[in-house]
Amino acid sequence: DAGVTQSPTHLIKTRGQQVTLRCSPKSGHDTVSWYQQALGQGPQFIFQYYEEEERQRGNFPDRFSGHQFPNYSSELNVNALLLGDSALYLCASSGGRNQPQHFGDGTRLSIL
Amino acid sequence: TQLLEQSPQFLSIQEGENLTVYCNSSSVFSSLQWYRQEPGEGPVLLVTVVTGGEVKKLKRLTFQFGDARKDSSLHITAAQPGDTGLYLCAGAGGFGNEKLTFGTGTRLTIIP
Repeated sequence: DAGVTQSPTHLIKTRGQQVTLRCSPKSGHDTVSWYQQALGQGPQFIFQYYEEEERQRGNFPDRFSGHQFPNYSSELNVNALLLGDSALYLCASSGGRNQPQHFGDGTRLSIL
Repeated sequence: TQLLEQSPQFLSIQEGENLTVYCNSSSVFSSLQWYRQEPGEGPVLLVTVVTGGEVKKLKRLTFQFGDARKDSSLHITAAQPGDTGLYLCAGAGGFGNEKLTFGTGTRLTIIP
């Protein structure tokens, strides 16, 4: 039973570029959340997707957008990358409302 | 804005000693999760507590949710080197507010 899988593992971009990160939820899970974890800090909530719609959003600019597909997988898109976007991006999935969230190993994004 | 503060931020103790990590907030959470994160990996769920005053035991780890559901603690008995890692508490706001608000983290090092 595969857990949450994310790709790519690492990514290097330059300022101003755009990036797409991908996430496949744990089998049986239908809700996907994205978090940003800066070095030495706890994860910060970006947004959550359910039934292919954004259900809740954290305090992140519109440069951060997402999508959920009919198979429950999800993408995180970030436009006009800034140096401060360098972080570990984590995807978490859950099997229903108020159910525990299980995390993938993340995508390490470095902006040069 | 919901905030969770963890203490201590860093803890280094000898193998066999006991320790307690605290997670405090001025906000009420519908549930609280504890995660452990190793370098280069995503957070791994240890436990979820949902009822005020609830105590859960996981081998040498004891988790407690405060009566008012604003705080929690993690107690480890007879710490082992394998317990080394970043411990994160995370609160969920409940139906319609299911994002996880993470604490600042406690970096634990167990010295053999």
